[in-house]
Amino acid sequence: GENVEQHPSTLSVQEGDSAVIKCTYSDSASNYFPWYKQELGKGPQLIIDIRSNVGEKKDQRIAVTLNKTAKHFSLHITETQPEDSAVYFCAASTGGKLIFGQGTELSVKP
Amino acid sequence: DAGVIQSPRHEVTEMGQEVTLRCKPISGHNSLFWYRQTMMRGLELLIYFNNNVPIDDSGMPEDRFSAKMPNASFSTLKIQPSEPRDSAVYFCASSPVGNYNSPLHFGNGTRLTVT
Repeated sequence: GENVEQHPSTLSVQEGDSAVIKCTYSDSASNYFPWYKQELGKGPQLIIDIRSNVGEKKDQRIAVTLNKTAKHFSLHITETQPEDSAVYFCAASTGGKLIFGQGTELSVKP
Repeated sequence: DAGVIQSPRHEVTEMGQEVTLRCKPISGHNSLFWYRQTMMRGLELLIYFNNNVPIDDSGMPEDRFSAKMPNASFSTLKIQPSEPRDSAVYFCASSPVGNYNSPLHFGNGTRLTVT
């Protein structure tokens, strides 16, 4: 079936460094790609999303890029801060559903 | 806005018992989704309602699971009888637009433990 692969599963960076999380998807018809941040004991929260008619989108320290030809998209966090530590999920609308990646646990060390 | 409200936050029950999870979506949102989160399987969509009508229940694992949405402000997910493999965090999410291509607003989940 359709799936979304997310890498890496864990990522540790120093405060101030950049962090990059990558996802690939299998359904070429996918046209919506959100990213969620999940803190301990809470539900996932949308942090940024991108649609297939756009190649890049930025919101302050967060950016997402999309390569439809290669079927992959990435989350970029610049100037990381300790409060960025959380689990991040990518997702793709595929096969009539929103399919989530397995998550990346980001740790930002002060 | 209070966001999506789920209850209870934690539920511990014995195998064979009935479990009912509750969700109040954000006012004005006309789509509601139930997801299950486990370490092994990640976030899985169980069922999706649009305007209180079930649209896609292909993710419901088996007949022991059922979901209802009697009105626009309330939904339940019921497991009867419960089994240890049902242990997971169950999330409810709502959206203002009736399809998968719009942002979902998640509640804080119900952590279910079946012993």
